[in-house]
Amino acid sequence: EVQLVESGGGLVQPGGSLRLSCAASGFTFSSYSMNWVRQAPGKGLEWVSYISSSSSTIYYADSVKGRFTISRDNAKNSLYLQMNSLRAEDTAVYYCARDYGDYSPPGYWGQGTLVTVSS
Amino acid sequence: QSALTQPASVSGSPGQSITISCTGTSSDVGGYNYVSWYQQHPGKAPKLMIYEVSNRPSGVSNRFSGSKSGNTASLTISGLQAEDEADYYCSSYTSSSTLLYVFGTGTKVTVL
Repeated sequence: EVQLVESGGGLVQPGGSLRLSCAASGFTFSSYSMNWVRQAPGKGLEWVSYISSSSSTIYYADSVKGRFTISRDNAKNSLYLQMNSLRAEDTAVYYCARDYGDYSPPGYWGQGTLVTVSS
Repeated sequence: QSALTQPASVSGSPGQSITISCTGTSSDVGGYNYVSWYQQHPGKAPKLMIYEVSNRPSGVSNRFSGSKSGNTASLTISGLQAEDEADYYCSSYTSSSTLLYVFGTGTKVTVL
């Protein structure tokens, strides 16, 4: 069974930093592309970032480009999101999500971790 | 790149069928057969219901079906049940230079 467990969320001041982690199990992590998707309170889903299985291809949404960095450690079956220069509008539940197939939107999701940016 | 357009709400009585639309452009929904649909109950993570326009993952009820015509994809729920009450989102691969995947605005399904 595919399992994705996020951690690292919390309260941070505007301009601060936070690093999210996602522990994967139940599948061969090194064979799949991964994503981060967020959902602001009471709002819809927003794709944030993508990393290919070998880390050779990385994409970011314009809203986070230059501030967020996605990475992975295939030896540790882990996905990360380093978030810098955080803004109030980054407040959201952040989901770790595995691709379902090439070019197909994410098919497996973690339970999410809440990031709150506030002074 | 804007979000895909979905109706804000759709409702139906138990046993009825409802359809949720998801309208995009030729750069996303209309250009690729990589449309997915998700069900999200309050406080829960999204659950994949349909992938690649019309395919159901293992374990998803055959009451859920997907289709596409031009720039609009659709999710149909037949034999509506109380547990189908949830938010539903579509998503598509996009050739936009600013995004990889685009999500829909979301539809609240109410079972009357």
